[in-house]
Amino acid sequence: EADIYQTPRYLVIGTGKKITLECSQTMGHDKMYWYQQDPGMELHLIHYSYGVNSTEKGDLSSESTVSRIRTEHFPLTLESARPSHTSQYLCASSEPMNTEAFFGQGTRLTVV
Amino acid sequence: AQSVTQPDIHITVSEGASLELRCNYSYGATPYLFWYVQSPGQGLQLLLKYFSGDTLVQGIKGFEAEFKRSQSSFNLRKPSVHWSDAAEYFCAVGHAGNMLTFGGGTRLMVKP
Repeated sequence: EADIYQTPRYLVIGTGKKITLECSQTMGHDKMYWYQQDPGMELHLIHYSYGVNSTEKGDLSSESTVSRIRTEHFPLTLESARPSHTSQYLCASSEPMNTEAFFGQGTRLTVV
Repeated sequence: AQSVTQPDIHITVSEGASLELRCNYSYGATPYLFWYVQSPGQGLQLLLKYFSGDTLVQGIKGFEAEFKRSQSSFNLRKPSVHWSDAAEYFCAVGHAGNMLTFGGGTRLMVKP
């Protein structure tokens, strides 16, 4: 059973606010990912990490930033939220040589 | 570069009818192939995966998929669809140590 958790599940916030989306996994996976997904649309990789102190940008340019200070924790931060950031954000993790990804339930962000 | 195409954006089937969702991939070697399902507002759940060996793989919830190297396809099938199968389905391709590339998804609707 995969154990990867995202909080909050839903967030409505005003323009200009700073927000952090939390993602934690208890599987000891080194690789973690953030995907952005508009409703009913495909997934876009925005950030990934191969382990502690490793962060890389994904295929889709994003104004968000990530950090990886602990193996189990991979938070995503928006310094100044805008309506264009409204989307669902999905966190995932995988073992180093196993491509199978385990997903959290997602955070649906609405910026008003 | 690896890529995944799901030609059908929407599919509607009647409850009890059979289902086939198409997936075509582009990859330089034999890839790892996956099917994920996403219910509304949720994360992605793995249905099944193919790494090697028998080209017909069985998954959860009565789903199966067949890897056809000559057609670069990995189509998902179910003999009899249930109303609870209505969801978004994503095909993905990857390889050991590499990240997954997802298709655009197919939204399945089930008529009573």
